[in-house]
Amino acid sequence: DAKTTQPNSMESNEEEPVHLPCNHSTISGTDYIHWYRQLPSQGPEYVIHGLTSNVNNRMASLAIAEDRKSSTLILHRATLRDAAVYYCIPGGGKLIFGQGTELSVKP
Amino acid sequence: DAGVIQSPRHEVTEMGQEVTLRCKPISGHDYLFWYRQTMMRGLELLIYFNNNVPIDDSGMPEDRFSAKMPNASFSTLKIQPSEPRDSAVYFCASSLSKPWSGARKTFGAGSRLTVL
Repeated sequence: DAKTTQPNSMESNEEEPVHLPCNHSTISGTDYIHWYRQLPSQGPEYVIHGLTSNVNNRMASLAIAEDRKSSTLILHRATLRDAAVYYCIPGGGKLIFGQGTELSVKP
Repeated sequence: DAGVIQSPRHEVTEMGQEVTLRCKPISGHDYLFWYRQTMMRGLELLIYFNNNVPIDDSGMPEDRFSAKMPNASFSTLKIQPSEPRDSAVYFCASSLSKPWSGARKTFGAGSRLTVL
């Protein structure tokens, strides 16, 4: 499985966009890039995934670099409910969770 | 769709006792995963099943841990005998097909185990 590097923590203001970066320089050509998040005291939940093209869904957008060695999860307008740990997971194996980025949102 | 259902939500037991955690995956999902989460080690994959067959149990800590999936709608994770270091939140997840090919995993709410 590809190794990932994410900031340990990030802060955002409510109603502002948030860009969560992830480096996965050892990703293989067939690995999807998955993002999950874990809200306090809950199980992880799926956010978005992509392979090569940028992806949008109702929760977020995923921007994938052309060389696929990095990606960015974009929350367009952060809310207090978006405070969570966000995991970037290049798949190809068993979807191993790293340490993730803890996002805090200030009112 | 009730999602992935785990029981019990909380379990407190004494060292040496047997613990059984249960999971009901989403109907129709072919893959089932057991994870353990602690502050020190984060989320660790313990074992996963495909069509009720264990595929990879390399994450199971030791022989005290065992997992079974007797049918498509039920799985158990058993710890016998339990030890204080087994205290953690145990998550079950299921997916319709291979998560590494894009299928999303749905996680249960977790079972918080405390071994005294």
